[in-house]
Amino acid sequence: EAGVAQSPRYKIIEKRQSVAFWCNPISGHATLYWYQQILGQGPKLLIQFQNNGVVDDSQLPKDRFSAERLKGVDSTLKIQPAKLEDSAVYLCASSSPGVQETQYFGPGTRLLVL
Amino acid sequence: AQTVTQSQPEMSVQEAETVTLSCTYDTSESDYYLFWYKQPPSRQMILVIRQEAYKQQNATENRFSVNFQKAAKSFSLKISDSQLGDAAMYFCARGGSQGNLIFGKGTKLSVKP
Repeated sequence: EAGVAQSPRYKIIEKRQSVAFWCNPISGHATLYWYQQILGQGPKLLIQFQNNGVVDDSQLPKDRFSAERLKGVDSTLKIQPAKLEDSAVYLCASSSPGVQETQYFGPGTRLLVL
Repeated sequence: AQTVTQSQPEMSVQEAETVTLSCTYDTSESDYYLFWYKQPPSRQMILVIRQEAYKQQNATENRFSVNFQKAAKSFSLKISDSQLGDAAMYFCARGGSQGNLIFGKGTKLSVKP
């Protein structure tokens, strides 16, 4: 079974530029998560989708971050404009529907904002 | 705030020895889930073990076991017969009300040959 796929693996941009990350979850997983992991810290949830709908985006900086999940499968996370403090690893995870099902993580995208 | 605390930023263990990583958490819920994830340098988070709070029996997965103390809100991970491949960051996490994960800051485990 294929795992969670993410691209790109690395991205370097200058502040005020825009960037987009892509995630393809495990087939059949209805729930998709985007986490931000700043160096030296644990991942922090940005947004959670259940199929096409947003379950929780309370920690998403909506003035610059946006995310969508197309047809309940792939998802894209965008940052526009980027700030220096957005430098982090962006992790995508997916899980089956159900109470606290195990989340499977992708390899992450490392973003460096100069 | 509902937090997860890992008080050991770094730990070291000799190969084949046993090491315990500590974790405490805060929650107002009576039923919840707890997890330990491993993150090697490749960055891919891998589930090590999970515990359901309503189960009194401590979870075990091969060389990995937990000591779950619900009243003390403590959830430590014991790694027996440590191997070089166990070297990684270990994150303790609590399941949130919507199924998301709330992570601690992690413990970096080194394994000495």
